[in-house]
Amino acid sequence: DIVMTQSPDSLAVSLGERATINCKSSQSVLDSSNNNNYLAWYQQKPGQPPKLLIYWASTRESGVPDRFSGSGSGTDFTLTISSLQAEDVALYYCQQYYSTPLTFGGGTKVEIK
Amino acid sequence: QVQLQESGPGLVKPSETLFLTCAVSGYSISSGYYWGWIRQPPGKGPEWIGSVHHSGSTYYNPSLKSRVIVSVDTSKNQFSLKLTSVTAADTAVYYCARHFALTTPPGWFDPWGQGTLVTVSS
Repeated sequence: DIVMTQSPDSLAVSLGERATINCKSSQSVLDSSNNNNYLAWYQQKPGQPPKLLIYWASTRESGVPDRFSGSGSGTDFTLTISSLQAEDVALYYCQQYYSTPLTFGGGTKVEIK
Repeated sequence: QVQLQESGPGLVKPSETLFLTCAVSGYSISSGYYWGWIRQPPGKGPEWIGSVHHSGSTYYNPSLKSRVIVSVDTSKNQFSLKLTSVTAADTAVYYCARHFALTTPPGWFDPWGQGTLVTVSS
């Protein structure tokens, strides 16, 4: 199984400041035949299901604000919120779909400082 | 707009079988995609259970495969989860979701149902 490890477990950021969440996979999720990284990011607010933010490591889902961006390749990935808004307080998860079983990270909680 | 809604009992006794259904609206299951089940124990990250295509093709998490069946009913535009021999460790919020099939195995999940809490207890 590919283990997804997120860091930090939680972070507090001031409104308007940058938030950076890391996700590391235990093995590469890059398909060298097409140069695609098989990684997605989700946002989960309290009492709600996860919402897809990004797939292919850096492709924003339609309707997702452009302050959210994904980067990285191979085994190391980052979700960046460029200017934190109050509505961004949530848990964030990464997920690999390179191989089964599909696996998620343990989550990172983003709060307002 | 695709919407998914889980239904089923909120309480299941140990050793019994959990059965959930996901009703899909705004999209025909027969038109494509895989359709998946994911669970989230309280305070933990999501765990993928399994996914099914309208053709009947399935993918399962090996850790649960011996106890899980995911099936589809295109006539009712719904799909189902059957989990046998449940224990307290199966207590979780269970979600259904559309599972994008541009890759092998299928990729990301979008959208998700609201989820249903299933508690395993006597």
